[in-house]
Amino acid sequence: GNSVTQMEGPVTLSEEAFLTINCTYTATGYPSLFWYVQYPGEGLQLLLKATKADDKGSNKGFEATYRKETTSFHLEKGSVQVSDSAVYFCALRSGNTPLVFGKGTRLSVIA
Amino acid sequence: DTGVSQNPRHKITKRGQNVTFRCDPISEHNRLYWYRQTLGQGPEFLTYFQNEAQLEKSRLLSDRFSAERPKGSFSTLEIQRTEQGDSAMYLCASSLEGGNNQPQHFGDGTRLSIL
Repeated sequence: GNSVTQMEGPVTLSEEAFLTINCTYTATGYPSLFWYVQYPGEGLQLLLKATKADDKGSNKGFEATYRKETTSFHLEKGSVQVSDSAVYFCALRSGNTPLVFGKGTRLSVIA
Repeated sequence: DTGVSQNPRHKITKRGQNVTFRCDPISEHNRLYWYRQTLGQGPEFLTYFQNEAQLEKSRLLSDRFSAERPKGSFSTLEIQRTEQGDSAMYLCASSLEGGNNQPQHFGDGTRLSIL
């Protein structure tokens, strides 16, 4: 079945540091890949998506590239801010199956 | 676009009681999803509707759980005879129909605590 594996958190970075959160997946067919972000006390917000191999999704300085050869969709940001502190979820959807999420990675950015 | 709205935001109840949550999706979205999220985990799919039809249910959805979307707009999720293990955040999401690249938009969730 479909599954998503994310790097374990928490991740603590200083402001302006480079961020990478690893995500790999297993899926049948040709999935679409997503990153969602969850701020404290809130629901999930779509951060970015990619729908086919080699697509790059980007938003708010974050980006992720759909790598079919390595079944990966790593999230990166060149310079994090305190306001980026949140939990980040990698997810996939294949065909008409429901979204399948990773366990989430908590990011804390300190000034 | 007012977003997905869920009520109540928090619910505290005693074990054995029944609870009902409501979700109002984005108005033009014909698909509506329910997920459950426990502490330190990602959301897990429970069920989804296309218009008023309930098209899929997860094996996580025991017979104590029932969801409805009677007019194809808002949806309710009821849990009967609540148990300690039902304590979680219940998330609702909606999307347009049409392929796996349609993003799902989430509400802020209902946090259920069972005493």
